[in-house]
Amino acid sequence: QVQLVESGGGAVQPGRSLRLSCAASGFIFSHYGMHWVRQAPGKGLEWVAVIWYDGSNIYYADSVKGRFTISRDNSRDTLYLQMNSLRAEDTAVYYCARGWSDFDYWGQGTLVTVSS
Amino acid sequence: DVVLTQSPLSLPVTLGQPASISCRSSQSLVSSDGNTHLNWFQQRPGQSPRRLIYKVSNRDSGVPDRFSGSGSGTDFTLKISRVEAEDVGIYYCVQGTHWPPWTFGHGTKVEIK
Repeated sequence: QVQLVESGGGAVQPGRSLRLSCAASGFIFSHYGMHWVRQAPGKGLEWVAVIWYDGSNIYYADSVKGRFTISRDNSRDTLYLQMNSLRAEDTAVYYCARGWSDFDYWGQGTLVTVSS
Repeated sequence: DVVLTQSPLSLPVTLGQPASISCRSSQSLVSSDGNTHLNWFQQRPGQSPRRLIYKVSNRDSGVPDRFSGSGSGTDFTLKISRVEAEDVGIYYCVQGTHWPPWTFGHGTKVEIK
């Protein structure tokens, strides 16, 4: 069965960096585009970034452009989100989700807390 | 950017009664490939989102048939024919036609009266 497992979240000070991972299993990872979506505490869902199945197309939300980098390692079936220059407003649960316009499977999420 | 406006924001429903959630788009969601990439998600308390409906009206595997999606162009609706206790949560629509960005509605909270 399809599984997406995020990791790498934690508490970090403003301006610092964090790298999230999303380990995929149960499907051919290299065939699918993948998204990162976040949810601030008590708020709705916000799309963050997407990467094409082969990494050739990447897009970011304006709120993270220039600070976050999405990447993937198809040999390891893993999606990444490198988050630099973190701000308090980046505090959220970060989910990975499968598919270009599908979002058909989601991970359980990993919490990132940015606070001094 | 496409704006999705959901209504109502809160929906108290009596068990066994129907419920309806609207998602209106600021522009048509019909894509150049002829598909309409409008999906519906359920997020139960403390859980990850779960897709219920894709491309307007297609129910995902395992989703009870009391859930249905309809609509076209800019107006879309998620209906629950008879609300059960397990349906409590927040429901979101998302569009994947005009990207980037992919945009979500603000969510509709379904609760039991």
